[in-house]
Amino acid sequence: GAVVSQHPSRVICKSGTSVKIECRSLDFQATTMFWYRQFPKKSLMLMATSNEGSKATYEQGVEKDKFLINHASLTLSTLTVTSAHPEDSSFYICSAPGTGSSSGNTIYFGEGSWLTVV
Amino acid sequence: GESVGLHLPTLSVQEGDNSIINCAYSNSASDYFIWYKQESGKGPQFIIDIRSNMDKRQGQRVTVLLNKTVKHLSLQIAATQPGDSAVYFCAERSSGTYKYIFGTGTRLKVLA
Repeated sequence: GAVVSQHPSRVICKSGTSVKIECRSLDFQATTMFWYRQFPKKSLMLMATSNEGSKATYEQGVEKDKFLINHASLTLSTLTVTSAHPEDSSFYICSAPGTGSSSGNTIYFGEGSWLTVV
Repeated sequence: GESVGLHLPTLSVQEGDNSIINCAYSNSASDYFIWYKQESGKGPQFIIDIRSNMDKRQGQRVTVLLNKTVKHLSLQIAATQPGDSAVYFCAERSSGTYKYIFGTGTRLKVLA
């Protein structure tokens, strides 16, 4: 079945550096992907909508210069956390809607990426 | 359960009993709802969905009830098992979009 793959699953970076997280749709194309952030014991917070071939749409309060999103192809979206700080440490999850009449309402989630900024 | 400060509300259930997890959603224009299960350190897993033109849908051991009048969603798990222990989220989708907004979540603990 449709799967969304995220990489890396865990990353530790130094404060001030940038880190890239990839989200790939396997066996299906995704013109739209979504990036969420989740703090411990909290719900998923939608950060932005990634659009293939155009600019991402950011939710209110999310810094677009801080969280760069690039949807380079129909199967890949990347989230780059620039000049990372310890408060950016979080669990980042991407998702992509399914396609076709049988799964058009379904949204598939990646396994998430743990970012720790030290 | 009600939110208790910074922690997720927790529902503790004896193994074999039925569980009911509740969710209040915010947007009366939402047309589609999903329940997800999330285990520690993992991404959300789809459990069951329901469209806004329905008020009940059943799956294997799970039932989702939708009350649009009060914007309330519930997930019923029959014969709760230890493997059901996880955090459960409801998510609503605005009509015409693929944008999902998640509820606050409930931690389900199954007691042996």
